[in-house]
Amino acid sequence: DTAVSQTPKYLVTQMGNDKSIKCEQNLGHDTMYWYKQDSKKFLKIMFSYNNKELIINETVPNRFSPKSPDKAHLNLHINSLELGDSAVYFCASSHAMMSGWKTQYFGPGTRLLVL
Amino acid sequence: RKEVEQDPGPFNVPEGATVAFNCTYSNSASQSFFWYRQDCRKEPKLLMSVYSSGNEDGRFTAQLNRASQYISLLIRDSKLSDSATYLCVVSPDNYGQNFVFGPGTRLSVLP
Repeated sequence: DTAVSQTPKYLVTQMGNDKSIKCEQNLGHDTMYWYKQDSKKFLKIMFSYNNKELIINETVPNRFSPKSPDKAHLNLHINSLELGDSAVYFCASSHAMMSGWKTQYFGPGTRLLVL
Repeated sequence: RKEVEQDPGPFNVPEGATVAFNCTYSNSASQSFFWYRQDCRKEPKLLMSVYSSGNEDGRFTAQLNRASQYISLLIRDSKLSDSATYLCVVSPDNYGQNFVFGPGTRLSVLP
């Protein structure tokens, strides 16, 4: 049983194109996230969605737009792709245990290569 | 100064060795702390949360020093399967809706 799934797993595209990455979780969690892991392996949070509301947007270009049709899904749409967008994008979800002690469960990642 | 800093690594240790990782964070208001591990070309997975009193899970012991803004992870009797990158993670809010990951420390356990 897949807890957090992402599609596609690999995405190769040309500069200037628009692409989407889909994420679904079947854990019943109330918060979902998007992270970017660049070539130096640094993992940075991009967005956090709690009950379909955007909570965090960490200085991400507005070419990136998260869309959450329901609590189980958080998709990432990217307009006008640039070379620097090449990275691994991870979706994650979490459920509050107590206060801030949320355990995050990550999807397998989407490897995006912009040519 | 980066928000979360870790030993640069890599650490190459023989099986059975004890290895310690260090992490410091800059935001004194940080509320919750974690260690995640990430295998090569895989997603990060929670290893353990780090509580103020320190906590242990089998061969793994985590410590937190809020005054020094320092977190540690000790692995005893290291196994080949412990080879991975260890990520120190800090949540600066009290709602667990923002997480700051350190750059990671890579561990290779050698036979």
